[in-house]
Amino acid sequence: EVLLVESGGGLVQPGGSLRLSCAASGFTFSSHWMHWVRQAPGKGLEWVANIKEDGTENYYVDSVKGRFTISRDNAKNSLYLQMNSLRVEDTALYYCARASSGTRKRLDSWGQGTLVTVSS
Amino acid sequence: DIQMTQSPSSLSASVGDRVTITCRASQDISNYLAWFQQKPGKAPKSLIYLASSLQSGVPSRFSASGSGTYFTLTISSLQPEDFAAYYCQQYHIYPITFGLGTRLEIK
Repeated sequence: EVLLVESGGGLVQPGGSLRLSCAASGFTFSSHWMHWVRQAPGKGLEWVANIKEDGTENYYVDSVKGRFTISRDNAKNSLYLQMNSLRVEDTALYYCARASSGTRKRLDSWGQGTLVTVSS
Repeated sequence: DIQMTQSPSSLSASVGDRVTITCRASQDISNYLAWFQQKPGKAPKSLIYLASSLQSGVPSRFSASGSGTYFTLTISSLQPEDFAAYYCQQYHIYPITFGLGTRLEIK
């Protein structure tokens, strides 16, 4: 069974930093592109970033470019999102998601999310 | 960025009804279109990929079609567990974008 468990969320002041983690199990982590998707309270889904199987390629939504960094450690079956210069509008539930084998962007499994609240 | 427009934004229906949700892309996305279901307090669940392919384990009452800029998701006979929010998503071009969602409520 595919299992994705996010952690690292919390309350942070504007301008602060936070590092999210996603622990993966039940599949060969190093064989899949991985993604972060967020959902502001009561709002829809927004794709944030993704990263190639070997970590050598990644993409971001414009609103987080230069502030967020996606990375992975295949030896630890873990995905990360380093979030710097956080803004109030970054407040959201952050989901880790897996792309289907052999695809870059087709999402097939999601974690339960970790909540990030940016507020003074 | 490609804009995804879903309609309706909300829909009231009864168990057993047939419902259709539409999704329009602001430019041609071929068939790189997915549909997700999200229940309150839960993570999204993949229903459909490549515009019309049913994800493994998804009931056959769900079907979808379309290509280019116009897509539909149909539930042939609503069951109590189908009342949820539904999102379309294009994954043809970065950034990946979602529609604003359709909330399916019990009448």
